[in-house]
Amino acid sequence: EVQLVQSGAEVKKPGESLKISCKGSGYSFTSYWIGWVRQMPGKGLEWMGIIYPGDSDTRYSPSFQGQVTISADKSISTAYLQWSSLKASDTAMYYCARTVVVPAAKTYYFDYWGQGTLVTVSS
Amino acid sequence: DIQMTQSPSSLSASVGDRVTITCRASQSISSYLNWYQQKPGKAPKLLIYAASSLQSGVPSRFSGSGSGTDFTLTISSLQPEDFATYYCQQSYSTPGTFGQGTRLEIK
Repeated sequence: EVQLVQSGAEVKKPGESLKISCKGSGYSFTSYWIGWVRQMPGKGLEWMGIIYPGDSDTRYSPSFQGQVTISADKSISTAYLQWSSLKASDTAMYYCARTVVVPAAKTYYFDYWGQGTLVTVSS
Repeated sequence: DIQMTQSPSSLSASVGDRVTITCRASQSISSYLNWYQQKPGKAPKLLIYAASSLQSGVPSRFSGSGSGTDFTLTISSLQPEDFATYYCQQSYSTPGTFGQGTRLEIK
């Protein structure tokens, strides 16, 4: 069974650093991209970026480039999303999702999702 | 970035109704359009990929159509468990932008 299990909720202060995780199981972790999606309170979904754990190739949305770092440790089937200096505006639910790429069609979709990690940034 | 616009933003309907949600892209995205369902407090769930392909395990009352810039998600006969928020997402390019969502409520 494919599963993505995310780390638990975090409460942080502005300026602090944070790294949240997403552990995959039940499939070949190095063969699928992992995406990260932000959902601010009461708002819609925002595509942040994706990483290919096989070689750590990473693509960012321009909106998030330089604001977060996406990484992966394929030895433990885990992807990460990290901040070096949190802001109150980073308060949101963050989801990871397995990304299926269809090479022949040059398209992709998120087929399995983690349960989400709620990040609260408040002084 | 490609902009995705859904309509309506919210919709009230009754069990058994046929419902259609529309998604429009700011440029042609061929058939590279996915649909997700999200219930309160839960992660999104993939319903349709590549505009019209039904994800495994998703009931056949859900269907998708369209290409280019205009797409639709249709629920042929609403069930109580279908009341949720629906998002389209373009996968023609990165970032894979989402629509703003359509909240489907019980009338």
